[in-house]
Amino acid sequence: SQTIHQWPATLVQPVGSPLSLECTVEGTSNPNLYWYRQAAGRGLQLLFYSVGIGQISSEVPQNLSASRPQDRQFILSSKKLLLSDSGFYLCAWSVGINYGYTFGSGTRLTVV
Amino acid sequence: QKEVEQNSGPLSVPEGAIASLNCTYSDRGSQSFFWYRQYSGKSPELIMFIYSNGDKEDGRFTAQLNKASQYVSLLIRDSQPSDSATYLCAVGETSGSRLTFGEGTQLTVNP
Repeated sequence: SQTIHQWPATLVQPVGSPLSLECTVEGTSNPNLYWYRQAAGRGLQLLFYSVGIGQISSEVPQNLSASRPQDRQFILSSKKLLLSDSGFYLCAWSVGINYGYTFGSGTRLTVV
Repeated sequence: QKEVEQNSGPLSVPEGAIASLNCTYSDRGSQSFFWYRQYSGKSPELIMFIYSNGDKEDGRFTAQLNKASQYVSLLIRDSQPSDSATYLCAVGETSGSRLTFGEGTQLTVNP
C-alpha cells in the first residue's frame, strides 16, 4: 500500500533562518506531488506541484522554493523565513486527478 | 480563475440530525469531485468522491452531484459528535493535475 511521510511534525524557527521540509511517498511510482499551506482557520493554498522529477510549477510568488530530486521525494525550502511563512504545511500525492489527493500528516511551522 | 464556493459556516446540528454541506464550482468541464474531512490540527482525509450525476452513498454519507447546476453536496445522516470537523469540497480541473479546494465548512454536532 502507498504511504506518505512528512516531517518534522512541528517546527519553531526564527525570522531569517532557512527552512527545509521533506516529503516522501512509498508504494507508487511517478506520483504527482503537491505542497499546500494552510493559515489558521483558513483554506488550503497551493504553493507548488510537480508531475515528475525536476518539474516544478509554482502557484504563488513567495519566499519559498520546491525541488523534486527523486521520483518520490518533494522538498520545500526557504533561504530566509518571514513571520508570514507561519502555517500548517501539507504535502500530498496523487496518481491522477480522478483519484484525488492523499495528504501527509503536515508540519506546523511557527516563525518567531 | 477556477472557483469552488462552500456554504458559509459554522454549521451546528444536534446529534442524530442530518447535516447538509453544499458546494458550487465554476469550471463547467470538471469531471471529478471530492469531499475531505479535516479535524482540528490534522490533515484532510478523503471521505467521498463522485464522478456522475446523482447520488452516491457510503454508510451515513451521501454525495450528490448536479453538473448542470454545477453543484455538489454532502449529506451526513444520523450525525455524531465525532463528525464535528471542517469539510472541504474539492473539484478536479478540466485539464491538468490539480484540485481546487473550497474554503471549507465547519460542522459541529452537539450531543
